[in-house]
Amino acid sequence: GDSVTQMEGPVTLSEEAFLTINCTYTATGYPSLFWYVQYPGEGLQLLLKATKADDKGSNKGFEATYRKETTSFHLEKGSVQVSDSAVYFCALSGGRTGGGADGLTFGKGTHLIIQP
Amino acid sequence: DAGVIQSPRHEVTEMGQEVTLRCKPISGHDYLFWYRQTMMRGLELLIYFNNNVPIDDSGMPEDRFSAKMPNASFSTLKIQPSEPRDSAVYFCASSFGESTEAFFGQGTRLTVV
Repeated sequence: GDSVTQMEGPVTLSEEAFLTINCTYTATGYPSLFWYVQYPGEGLQLLLKATKADDKGSNKGFEATYRKETTSFHLEKGSVQVSDSAVYFCALSGGRTGGGADGLTFGKGTHLIIQP
Repeated sequence: DAGVIQSPRHEVTEMGQEVTLRCKPISGHDYLFWYRQTMMRGLELLIYFNNNVPIDDSGMPEDRFSAKMPNASFSTLKIQPSEPRDSAVYFCASSFGESTEAFFGQGTRLTVV
C-alpha cells in the first residue's frame, strides 16, 4: 500500500540556518503530496502542496518540489525562525485511486526545534 | 467559517465506559475524515465519509469503534467499551469535492484510565 517515509527527529537548528526535511513516498497511482505543520496543542495545518510531477509548492518561505523520478518531496527553507518550531508531516493522497479525496497517508512527523 | 469544530477538547474516562467524540465539518465540504494520532503509530486514517455515506472504514481498529454521519454538518466517533490503549488524540478533518486538501480540527485528547 501507500506509505510515506520522513527523516526522524528531533531536528535542532539555530535561527537563520538552512532547513531540509527529507520525505520519500511509495504509491501505486499518481498522488498529490502535502506538507502539514502541527504546533503544540493544535491540529494540523496545511503548509504547502503539489499535485503533479515537477510542481513546486511554497508558503511562508517553505518550498518543496514533487520529484517523481526520486519519489521525493523534500521540505526546505532558507532561513528558519524560532516561530518555525513545530512538528512537520509529509503526506500523500490519491495514490491508490489516482485522485480524489481518499484520505491522507502521513509520515511519522519530524519535530523541528529552532534555537535563538 | 470557524473551521472544523471538535468536541470535547479533552476527555478522561474509565476503562469500560462509552466515549463519544463529535465533529462539525466546514460548511459545504462533502468529505469527512477521522484520524487517530499516537506516539507509536503516528497519524492513522480510521474512516471517511462522502456525502454522509461511509466509504472506507478499513482503518477502524475494532468493532468497539463506530462512526456515524447523520447529516452534512455533524459526525460522531464512538468507542464502546473504551480501553486504555484507545488513549490518543483523535482528529476530524473535512475537504471539498475532488480537492484533497483536508482541513483539520484541533483534536480531542482522549485518556482512558
